[in-house]
Parts: sequence; C-alpha cells; structure tokens
Amino acid sequence: DTGVSQNPRHKITKRGQNVTFRCDPISEHNRLYWYRQTLGQGPEFLTYFQNEAQLEKSRLLSDRFSAERPKGSFSTLEIQRTEQGDSAMYLCASSPGGRGTSLAGGSTDTQYFGPGTRLTVL
Amino acid sequence: GESVGLHLPTLSVQEGDNSIINCAYSNSASDYFIWYKQESGKGPQFIIDIRSNMDKRQGQRVTVLLNKTVKHLSLQIAATQPGDSAVYFCAETRGQGNLIFGKGTKLSVKP
Repeated sequence: DTGVSQNPRHKITKRGQNVTFRCDPISEHNRLYWYRQTLGQGPEFLTYFQNEAQLEKSRLLSDRFSAERPKGSFSTLEIQRTEQGDSAMYLCASSPGGRGTSLAGGSTDTQYFGPGTRLTVL
Repeated sequence: GESVGLHLPTLSVQEGDNSIINCAYSNSASDYFIWYKQESGKGPQFIIDIRSNMDKRQGQRVTVLLNKTVKHLSLQIAATQPGDSAVYFCAETRGQGNLIFGKGTKLSVKP
C-alpha cells in the first residue's frame, strides 16, 4: 500500500494518561501535516513539517501536544495528560512538496490523508 | 472572518442524477482549492483540485468550478452512484500551508 498510514487506528485511554500516535507518509513526500477532526466538523490544522523541520503550529496545539519528525520520514504526535476534550480523530496528511511527485490527479501541493487515529478519553 | 463554508449541510439525490455541491470562501488570497470525500470512519480522500488561475477543471465524472468574482466553488458529480454517498468537504489553502476546511455536505444517493 503506497498511501499514508497511521497507527494505532483506535486508542482508548483514561484521562491523565499520555498517548502517542504515529504517521508514515507517502514515500518521498517532503511535507507532513497533522489535523484534528471532531464529529460533524471538518479537519482542523494542528501542525506541519517540511522534512524534519516543524514550520507551523496552530493555536490548537497546546503545551500538552508535541509532534516530531526526527528523520524527515515518519512523524509522532504525543498528547500528555489527556483530557476528555482531546477525544477526536487525529488525521495525518502528506504532500510531495517541490521535489516530490504527486499521485495521479493531484499536484505537488495536494495533501493526501491517512485513515486517522480515533482517540477516546474516558 | 476568513472561512470556507458550505451552503447546504445535506443533499439527497436519485441514483443516476447529477449532484452539485456548493462552497463559499471569503479570502481572495486563497490560491488553491481541493475537494475531498470522506466516508464514515475514514480519512478524507482527494477528489479534485483547482488553482485560482483556472475557473474549471474536469476529472472522471467530477467537475470543479471556481468563480472568483463571488468567491464560490462547486463540485459537480455526473451520474451519481450509491458509492458516492459520503460527506464532501471543500478546502482552501494559501501557498504551501495548512488547509482550511468547511463543515462538509452529506450526500445521500437514493437507489
């Protein structure tokens, strides 16, 4: 499968616990994005990487959230001291960027999404 | 404020009919627009995109129209099929940054 993959697909945790999600982008995609989506809403931007550099962070990304992309390939999103309000679908997307190649029908700026990680905080 | 929105939250069509899903945006600086399809429990799936220097783009059974004068975007689906049932989002972006999504339109196709 050549698409974006995310693990785990589902995570149930108790309030106050830490959780970590992983995203593997499409091979050779330079840009990687994290979004959060709650029921009935469109995805909301959290943060964005160009290779290993984190270039932009949303105000939604509180101090309890941290994201890394250490080698410019996969990325992790960690939430510390989870709260019930953190319950959502966490989506990862990647795009080719200037030097990458796009899938059929898209451009180098097109963001392709993974299946998401559904987080439930009890 | 600046936002991407949709005129209708739900749309019901008969199988075989054409569907039109509308979207309004407010930021004239947006230069790239994408339509995504999202099925229940899945991530958004790319359908078609258009840049601000174009007013129409066609794909397989889908057409996107961009009217910059009134800041309006539409997705037309020809010969709608049951498999087209999903929530459709338009999204805008400026440069290489993050996407701004609307709330989505739920398309239901009646057999």
